[in-house]
Amino acid sequence: EVQLLESGGGLVQPGGSLRLSCAASGFTFSSYAMSWVRQAPGKGLEWVSTISGSGGSTYYADSVKGRFTIFRDNSKNTLFLQMNSLRVEDTAVYFCTKEIVGSGAFDSWGQGTLVTVSS
Amino acid sequence: QSALTQPASVSGSPGQSITISCTGTSSDVGVYNYVSWYQQHPGKAPKLIIYDVSNRPSGVSNRFSGSKSGNTASLTISGLQAEDEADYYCSSYTHSSTWVFGGGTKLTVL
Repeated sequence: EVQLLESGGGLVQPGGSLRLSCAASGFTFSSYAMSWVRQAPGKGLEWVSTISGSGGSTYYADSVKGRFTIFRDNSKNTLFLQMNSLRVEDTAVYFCTKEIVGSGAFDSWGQGTLVTVSS
Repeated sequence: QSALTQPASVSGSPGQSITISCTGTSSDVGVYNYVSWYQQHPGKAPKLIIYDVSNRPSGVSNRFSGSKSGNTASLTISGLQAEDEADYYCSSYTHSSTWVFGGGTKLTVL
């Protein structure tokens, strides 16, 4: 059974940094692209970033480009999102997702971790 | 990276069928067959119900079906049940090698 467990969320001041982690199990982690998707309180889903299985290719939404970095440790089956220069509008639940090979659809989701950016 | 356009809300009675539209552009929905649909109940993580326009993941009811015509994708739910009441989101791959979601549609089962 695929399991994705996010951690690292919390309260941070504007301009601050936070690192999210996603521990994966139940599948061959290095074979799958992984993504982060976020959801602001009471709002819709927003794609944030994707990383290939090898980690060699990364993609970002314009809203986070230059501030967020996605990376992975395939030896530890863990996905990360380093978030710098955080803004109030980055406040959201951040979901870790696994993609279907050759499709990119997000077929497995974690329970999410809440990031609150506020002074 | 403009969001795909979905109706804010739809409703239907038990047993009826409803369709939710998802309109994009020739840079996403219109050019790629990588359209997916997600169901989200309050306080829960989204669940994939349709991928690659019309494919259902294992375990998803065949009451859910997807299609696409031009720049618009559609999700149809037949034989509405109370448990289908949820928010529904479409998503598409884009020419910029990114993903874009729709704004979401709240389905109410009357």
